[in-house]
Amino acid sequence: GDSVTQMEGPVTLSEEAFLTINCTYTATGYPSLFWYVQYPGEGLQLLLKATKADDKGSNKGFEATYRKETTSFHLEKGSVQVSDSAVYFCALTHGGYQKVTFGTGTKLQVIP
Amino acid sequence: EAGVAQSPRYKIIEKRQSVAFWCNPISGHATLYWYQQILGQGPKLLIQFQNNGVVDDSQLPKDRFSAERLKGVDSTLKIQPAKLEDSAVYLCASSSRYSDRKATGELFFGEGSRLTVL
Repeated sequence: GDSVTQMEGPVTLSEEAFLTINCTYTATGYPSLFWYVQYPGEGLQLLLKATKADDKGSNKGFEATYRKETTSFHLEKGSVQVSDSAVYFCALTHGGYQKVTFGTGTKLQVIP
Repeated sequence: EAGVAQSPRYKIIEKRQSVAFWCNPISGHATLYWYQQILGQGPKLLIQFQNNGVVDDSQLPKDRFSAERLKGVDSTLKIQPAKLEDSAVYLCASSSRYSDRKATGELFFGEGSRLTVL
């Protein structure tokens, strides 16, 4: 079945550091890929998405490129801020009924 | 536009007791999901509805968990009897119909209902 694998956290970075959170997936066909973010005390919300190979999703300075050849969707940001501290979930949607599979999440802590 | 509403936000019960969670999705969203999120883990799908029909309940522990969405709008998730391992956050999410021209694949989540079983 479908699965998503994320790098384990927590990831601790200093403000303005470069961020990469790795995500790889296993799925047949052509899933849509997503990054969701969960800020402390809040529900999950969509950060960015890509629906086909080579698409780049971007939002709030974050980017991720859908790489079919490496089955990856790594999240990057050039300069993180303290307000980016949250848990980040990689996910995929597959099939006509939009079944969504999530990774285990990566906690990011940004220190001033 | 109102978001996904869930209640209660917090619930503490003893094992073997019962509990019910309520979810009201975004207006017009045909698909409703219940996820279980145990601390430190990713959300695990319990059940997915398309209107009032069940699309996927393969990971729902049917001996103790039940869910319904009778009129294709709001939904209730029940646990009876609860076990210690049911302590988790129960997330409700909704999305528009896949065939809808406006469908984006995005899930809209509520804030979750945190259950503690003692």
